[in-house]
Amino acid sequence: EVVLTQSPATLALSPGERATLSCRASQTVLYQLAWYQQKPGQAPRLLIYDVSDRATDIPARFSGSGSGTDFTLTISSLEPEDSAIYYCQQRYVWPTTFGQGTKVEIK
Amino acid sequence: HLVQSGAEVKKPGASVKVSCQASGYTFTDHHIHWVRQAPGQGLEWVGWVNPNSGATNNARKFEGRVTMTRDASITTAYMELRGLTSADTAVYYCARDKLQVPTYYYYLDVWGKGTTVTVSS
Repeated sequence: EVVLTQSPATLALSPGERATLSCRASQTVLYQLAWYQQKPGQAPRLLIYDVSDRATDIPARFSGSGSGTDFTLTISSLEPEDSAIYYCQQRYVWPTTFGQGTKVEIK
Repeated sequence: HLVQSGAEVKKPGASVKVSCQASGYTFTDHHIHWVRQAPGQGLEWVGWVNPNSGATNNARKFEGRVTMTRDASITTAYMELRGLTSADTAVYYCARDKLQVPTYYYYLDVWGKGTTVTVSS
């Protein structure tokens, strides 16, 4: 099973700042990685799939990069509504697995 | 749009069956996945059901304990989990696979609101 390790555990930034979230896989997952956003009491929402493709209606401030084992989700200019937990997910190796999440707090 | 059944409280050893009714798209066109989230924890994939063929696939840790079915006539998918323990206390989500059958992508683009299952004596 592929283990996805996300860092940092928590990120506290001010509105307008750039957020950089990391996801590292225990073995290669090629480009088959997605990112989800989850707000308290809500279901996750798909943000990015296949490393860098934005899902429907996702703002352009969200972008993804990486390949192999190291991946990054970047939020270029934080908005207050971006306060959430962000999870990465790989689908290259069965079973699909998720990281433990990075909590983004807006100061 | 995925609408899930209401919260459940079960005793250890019991079974629970969660439903997920789809609307707004062709139900048989996309796999339905089940993902759970224990309190304060991350996401864990349980399995999927092909609403067209009824084929299923589940994570090994649930082998022998989970059954996923569907009733296409009422555009509803079901997940039954047996032999419940306190470790099964979680919110159970159904979610739609982004790709159309027969392919599956495991990227989940439409989610239900979740069903809370509490296992307690």
